[in-house]
Order: sequence, then C-alpha cells, then structure tokens
Amino acid sequence: QKEVEQDPGPLSVPEGAIVSLNCTYSNSAFQYFMWYRQYSRKGPELLMYTYSSGNKEDGRFTAQVDKSSKYISLFIRDSQPSDSATYLCAMSAGSGGYQKVTFGTGTKLQVIP
Amino acid sequence: GAVVSQHPSWVICKSGTSVKIECRSLDFQATTMFWYRQFPKQSLMLMATSNEGSKATYEQGVEKDKFLINHASLTLSTLTVTSAHPEDSSFYICSARGEGDGYTFGSGTRLTVV
Repeated sequence: QKEVEQDPGPLSVPEGAIVSLNCTYSNSAFQYFMWYRQYSRKGPELLMYTYSSGNKEDGRFTAQVDKSSKYISLFIRDSQPSDSATYLCAMSAGSGGYQKVTFGTGTKLQVIP
Repeated sequence: GAVVSQHPSWVICKSGTSVKIECRSLDFQATTMFWYRQFPKQSLMLMATSNEGSKATYEQGVEKDKFLINHASLTLSTLTVTSAHPEDSSFYICSARGEGDGYTFGSGTRLTVV
C-alpha cells in the first residue's frame, strides 16, 4: 500500500464548477499537509499548506484536513480554464526543512470553457 | 515568498557525458535541499536529500556514484548526472523550504540523453 493515495484522473469539469480533489494517507506521523499545482514541464507551485485538521481558505481554494480519517481535500470554487493542471497532494511528518515530503501521484484537472 | 532557481531548464547531452544541474535558494538559506525525479505522468520520486557541508542522503535504489550531489553553501546545491545514458532522461526538480512557507520547488530541468 502506498503511503499516499491520489486518484490520477483525468478530471474534466465545466468552467465555473466546484472541483474536489482528494488524497488519503496511511502514515499517522504525517502532520504537515500541502497542495501543489504543476503545469506541464514546470516545477510544482505551492498552493496551500496546513498543519491542523479543519479548513483553510485562500481565495478560491479551500484545503481540508481530517486527521482522524487520514483524508485531505482541496476544493476549487468557480474553476477557470487556467486552473487546468495536475494537482499534487504532499505531506510530511513535520515542518522542519529537513523533513522528507511524500507526494501523491497527482490528479490531472481540465476545466473546459 | 521563497524562490528557488534551477538551471538549466533543459539540456540535451550525448550518452556517456556528464551533466550538472544547479539549484539556488535566492532569498533564503537552505540547510537542506531535496532532489526529485519525475517521469511522464508520474509523481515526484525523491532521489536524495542534500545537506549543506555534509554528504547527501540517498534514497534506496538511487546510485550515489551516478548522481553526485554537492551542497557547498547554504544557497547552492548541485546534482551531477555522471556518464549519462538514455534511461537517465527525465525531469529533475530540486526543492527547499523557506521560512514560513511550504517546500518551494525549482522550475525543473528536462534532461534528454541521446
């Protein structure tokens, strides 16, 4: 079993839809959770990070963490064609700069105009 | 926010030659940097953890003599792919953590070995 599971998609939605992206994990030591967006042939771009269970909102993006269920989500409201990319969840046992980060496989999202 | 600069963005080299990839933290000091490899449609696979002033820590299955890592300063880490072969063709990405932020990635280097 992989430490982090993420549906690879692809996921196609119409412009303006609410997108839900999810990951599950098995390692209870994970305490620090991140979401990245990656465009083709580019490095990942950090969207959001959080330590705690609950919701964290930033503009059209909301990150949700449920540590009891080992489940994290990223919601994108009013999705735009420019949101079309691969979204990677990532997590680590701590926030120290030396901590290894484990990534999901990424979900490819396409927002259709 | 934290910025990580990676060069070159792409490189084509002949089989048997060596290629050096640089990763710089521009506005912060990075005691630790990470090197990843990404195959098409796959996630990032950690290759090694680069520690300033000491030897890198390699993940299982990664040949340390083939992928040489040097972290000579708090703002620069380099990955050298030695005696490159076509199977080494991939997308290589470095990462470091800035203060208060999540891990920041370089823009990646696409290596093609012909």
